[in-house]
This record gives sequence, C-alpha cells and structure tokens, in this order.
Amino acid sequence: SAVISQKPSRDICQRGTSLTIQCQVDSQVTMMFWYRQQPGQSLTLIATANQGSEATYESGFVIDKFPISRPNLTFSTLTVSNMSPEDSSIYLCSVEDGRGAEAFFGQGTRLTVV
Amino acid sequence: EDKVVQSPLSLVVHEGDTVTLNCSYEVTNFRSLLWYKQEKKAPTFLFMLTSSGIEKKSGRLSSILDKKELFSILNITATQTGDSAVYLCAVERNTDKLIFGTGTRLQVFP
Repeated sequence: SAVISQKPSRDICQRGTSLTIQCQVDSQVTMMFWYRQQPGQSLTLIATANQGSEATYESGFVIDKFPISRPNLTFSTLTVSNMSPEDSSIYLCSVEDGRGAEAFFGQGTRLTVV
Repeated sequence: EDKVVQSPLSLVVHEGDTVTLNCSYEVTNFRSLLWYKQEKKAPTFLFMLTSSGIEKKSGRLSSILDKKELFSILNITATQTGDSAVYLCAVERNTDKLIFGTGTRLQVFP
C-alpha cells in the first residue's frame, strides 16, 4: 500500500486568500484524486490530477477556483483560491495504484475560512 | 444519475452488539465496491468487493456484495468502543472514479 503525506493537516485562513495543499506519495502511482468533505457530508470528488497535463474537473468545480498541479508521479498540489467561508471543509488527496486497486487517502487537511 | 445510498444514517449500540450496515447503489459501469472507516479525517480502507456472494472477512468485520440486487452489507460483531466511526461505502466505476455514500455514523457505548 502507498504511504501518503498530506500537509498542512489544518489551517485557518482569511477570506479572499489562497491555500495550497500538498500531497506526497512514497511511490509512483498512476491515479491521484482530490476530494472535498464539507461538514456532515460525504466525500465529493473535485478533480483527477493527471501527470503532465491539466487536471480533469468534476461538475461544479473549476480550475480557476481549484488549480491543481501534478509535476510527477509522486506529488500533487491543490490550491483553494479566493477562499470564502463556504470553502471550509476537509480536503483529501487519494491515490490508486493501477486499475482495480483500492484507493488510499492522505491524512486530510481541515480548512477553516474566517 | 449515479448514486450510492447508505443506511442507517446513524446507529447507537452497546459494546458486544452486532451491527449491519447497508449500502445500495445505482452506478453505470460498476467495477467494485469499497468500504472505508473514517474516524477523524482520512478514511482507512476496509474491504474491496468485486464478485457477488463471496464474503470478505477481517477479524470481527465482514462484508458481502450482491451484484444482482445492487447492494452490500458490512457486519461488525462483538462491537467495541474503538469501532465508533463513520463507515463509508464507495462504488468504483470503470473510469477509476469513486462515488461515495453519505456514510453511517456508528457510536458504540460501553
């Protein structure tokens, strides 16, 4: 199984600012995903981070708001831009090492926007 | 529209009780169904089910999938306070994307 290091683990940010969340994996993985979990809700996929190309966003999420980088097969970042209190959530990165493999999650980032 | 529905939404039991958590789904291009335990932030993997009728077991936890009736159950026997968590069911499509249910919040009291 992959070991995933996600940081920061939590942050409190002012509205209008941006936060970049990092996800580092201890091995090369094919698929990396970013999820959001709003308070009391289940996980919602934001986007699939593609190595060497733009991320693929799910309905309701746009690149301007959630720019994603994936410079190599072990690392990705998610930026939450121009934050508002509605962005207060847990953000999780997830990796899947090949088709048919289970997905593993980073430790999560608890973001509070004030 | 793809959906994954879990029931009950919450459950309160005493230590030693047995619980059954339900997950039903309507998903195109089904590949597998996964169960996760979420205690704080990060979900931890429990089971992956791809074939009907084959029970997967790990200690006091077991799970089975019915691909005809489109549901899965997660059983926990002899519950302990450490089992208190949100249990998430997710269905993976052939596109590698996971669709999560809303979870079942289990509270086990001594």
